[in-house]
Amino acid sequence: DIVMTQGALPNPVPSGESASITCQSSKSLLHSNGKTYLNWYLQRPGQSPQLLIYWMSTRASGVSDRFSGSGSGTDFTLKISSVEAEDVGVYYCQQFLEYPLTFGSGTKLEIK
Amino acid sequence: EVQLVESGGGLVQPGRSLKLSCAASGFTFSNYYMAWVRQAPKKGLEWVATISTSGSRTYYPDSVKGRFTISRDNAKSSLYLQMNSLKSEDTATYYCARYYSSFLDYWGQGVMVTVSS
Repeated sequence: DIVMTQGALPNPVPSGESASITCQSSKSLLHSNGKTYLNWYLQRPGQSPQLLIYWMSTRASGVSDRFSGSGSGTDFTLKISSVEAEDVGVYYCQQFLEYPLTFGSGTKLEIK
Repeated sequence: EVQLVESGGGLVQPGRSLKLSCAASGFTFSNYYMAWVRQAPKKGLEWVATISTSGSRTYYPDSVKGRFTISRDNAKSSLYLQMNSLKSEDTATYYCARYYSSFLDYWGQGVMVTVSS
């Protein structure tokens, strides 16, 4: 199974500052079609997860351009520029390269 | 508007069975793979099952393989999860989610399953 390892944030993050969340996979997520099958989701308190970023760097529909994804085949970063109160929650990375689909353990973002 | 509404959760004793349902609307259900993802209390997300558009292909992690069965009724735009031989570690909120290409783009609100005597 592909293991997804997420880093922690130095919470709380001051409002207006940027925050970067890291995620590492135990196997390259680069597919032969050139796409990297790494997704990011946000789960706000009391809500269902929502898709933020897919294919490592493509923002989902309606997602603020303050969110950006980058990385290589095994090391990934979700950057939130100028964090706002609505960004509070737990961020998960997920690999979609192969079954079983696996998620990182989540990274909590708190705002000061 | 895409909507996924789960139902069928509740309290069940260890070793018993439970069937979850997910009613889909706002899109052509038969065109999409679907999945179940669960979240134990205060824990992270765990993928539970995936089903192809026709239902001919299904996928499970080892943790539920042989005990859980995902199915669908395209005529009713409904997704199901039959859970047998339930264990305390199956206690979680279960989410129905739509596949789009290689990501889960819509999620239901979740349904709680508690396995306890």
